[in-house]
Amino acid sequence: AQSVAQPEDQVNVAEGNPLTVKCTYSVSGNPYLFWYVQYPNRGLQFLLKYITGDNLVKGSYGFEAEFNKSQTSFHLKKPSALVSDSALYFCAVRDGRSGGYQKVTFGTGTKLQVIP
Amino acid sequence: EPEVTQTPSHQVTQMGQEVILRCVPISNHLYFYWYRQILGQKVEFLVSFYNNEISEKSEIFDDQFSVERPDGSNFTLKIRSTKLEDSAMYFCASSVPSGANVLTFGAGSRLTVL
Repeated sequence: AQSVAQPEDQVNVAEGNPLTVKCTYSVSGNPYLFWYVQYPNRGLQFLLKYITGDNLVKGSYGFEAEFNKSQTSFHLKKPSALVSDSALYFCAVRDGRSGGYQKVTFGTGTKLQVIP
Repeated sequence: EPEVTQTPSHQVTQMGQEVILRCVPISNHLYFYWYRQILGQKVEFLVSFYNNEISEKSEIFDDQFSVERPDGSNFTLKIRSTKLEDSAMYFCASSVPSGANVLTFGAGSRLTVL
């Protein structure tokens, strides 16, 4: 079984400050990890992924995430938050051993509120 | 940029009625999925579909649910006899046949069961 935990329901950060949205995962094989963002009344949009290689991955809109195998974490980060970053963020995992048609499991989501 | 399109955007139905939600995945994608989200919270996996058959399904996807790719273009989710607890946002997603499995989601179909 695979699972994702996002321990914070909401994260508040002042505009211009760095932000971190936390994620830990559990999976039997090698993890394929993802971050998606959801704006109100919209579908989920892909931000970035980790499959292998460099532990720090960069994605869209200046976001990055750090894979930490020993802590089974994949925290989302951004050096300087924008008000427009306010949205719902989902971490997701898939077992890298499985076929590409197998399910991706999502966390419960973290609402990011960037305060002007 | 290619999109996954879903119809209808919102459907209201009476309990016990059948509902069909439609999706047009991106044309070169081969893997298709349905997820649902209740009250803007957790995104729950329902089913994945590949090569004209179900690849995997969750415990939520019971006998009242079915999926079909009737014409090589559309991908449908049918709920035979809707229940109040089926009220949710239903998202279709598709992905290319590669190891990364990045999902492209549609904008969703909101189902309200009265």
